[in-house]
Amino acid sequence: KQEVTQIPAALSVPEGENLVLNCSFTDSAIYNLQWFRQDPGKGLTSLLLIQSSQREQTSGRLNASLDKSSGRSTLYIAASQPGDSATYLCAVDKAAGNKLTFGGGTRVLVKP
Amino acid sequence: DAGITQSPRHKVTETGTPVTLRCHQTENHRYMYWYRQDPGHGLRLIHYSYGVKDTDKGEVSDGYSVSRSKTEDFLLTLESATSSQTSVYFCAITPTSGGSSVSTDTQYFGPGTRLTVL
Repeated sequence: KQEVTQIPAALSVPEGENLVLNCSFTDSAIYNLQWFRQDPGKGLTSLLLIQSSQREQTSGRLNASLDKSSGRSTLYIAASQPGDSATYLCAVDKAAGNKLTFGGGTRVLVKP
Repeated sequence: DAGITQSPRHKVTETGTPVTLRCHQTENHRYMYWYRQDPGHGLRLIHYSYGVKDTDKGEVSDGYSVSRSKTEDFLLTLESATSSQTSVYFCAITPTSGGSSVSTDTQYFGPGTRLTVL
């Protein structure tokens, strides 16, 4: 059974500092990995999707890397802003069909 | 938001009563999903659908049933609600490309339904 872990569970940084969020998964046979953002009381917003054949994806200040063989993905957020405060979740899909297995999330607070 | 709405947004009910949650999408996507989110467990897949009358079980399907008689609606039913089903329920879709069965993979979520079972 696939297990997805995100450490740390919570993170607090001063504004301007780069954020590094970690995601690990136990079964390296994945189809893709997705990063989501969730604001309190809201649904999830997709940030980045990395196919299993890719090593990284970038969108603006966000960069996600994938090392499938070691079962790890890292989300980098450059020059953090207070608006980046949210919970960030990673999820893996074992096969096409998008039945996602989620990590527990990392709650991020960016202090002005 | 990929045109996803969920109703009701909040519901309080009593143990033993039936409850139906509705997910509605306006863009004719084939793939739809129901998840629940609980502290300490994250999001877990309950049921999913790849089209009208094509549904299957996810990781935590016990106590839940689903129906999809129209492309735009995916219903989640708790036949007899229990306190352990108190949770936030999210519907999600995966867009298909140009009406074909090919998934674009990115998953989009609705705003959620907060269900409390007393």
